[in-house]
Amino acid sequence: DIVMTQSPDSLAVSLGERATITCKSSQSVLYRSNNKNHLAWYQQKPGQPPNLLISWASSRESGVPDRFSGSGSGTDFTLTISSLQAEDVAVYYCQQYYSTPQTFGQGTRVEIK
Amino acid sequence: QVQLVESGGGVVQPGGSLRLSCAASGFTFRSSVMHWVRQAPGKGLEWVAVISYDGNNKNFVDSVRGRFTISRDNSKNILYLQMNSLRVEDTAVYYCAKGADGYKYWGQGTLVTVSS
Repeated sequence: DIVMTQSPDSLAVSLGERATITCKSSQSVLYRSNNKNHLAWYQQKPGQPPNLLISWASSRESGVPDRFSGSGSGTDFTLTISSLQAEDVAVYYCQQYYSTPQTFGQGTRVEIK
Repeated sequence: QVQLVESGGGVVQPGGSLRLSCAASGFTFRSSVMHWVRQAPGKGLEWVAVISYDGNNKNFVDSVRGRFTISRDNSKNILYLQMNSLRVEDTAVYYCAKGADGYKYWGQGTLVTVSS
């Protein structure tokens, strides 16, 4: 199984400042045949199901604000919130869909400082 | 619009069984790969199972393999999760989700509590 490890477990950022979450996979999730990283990022707010923010490591979903961006390749990935807003307080998860089981990171809680 | 509505959760004793359902609408269900994902209270997300569009291919996380089965009725647009030999550690909100490259659509979840 591919193990997904996020860091940090939690972070507090001032409004308008940058928040950065990293995700490391225990093996590469870059699929050679399509040269794509099978990596997604989700946002989950209390009492709600997760919301897909980014797929293919860097492709923002329709309707997701452009302050959210994803980067990385192979085994190392980053989710960046360029200017934190109050509505971004949530838990963020990375997930690999390269192979089953399609494992998630443990989550990173983002709060306002 | 896409809708996924889970049902069938509840309280069950260890060793018991439950069948969860996920009613789908707003998309071509028979062409879609479907998943079950769970979340224990206060914990992270855990992928549970996947079924191919035609039901011929299935896979499970090791912790439920042999106890849970996944199936679908493409004539009724319903996804199922049959859960047998339930354990306390199966207590969670169970979500159905649609997607092949990340899960864009999720239901609201149904709570399963395994307790004596």
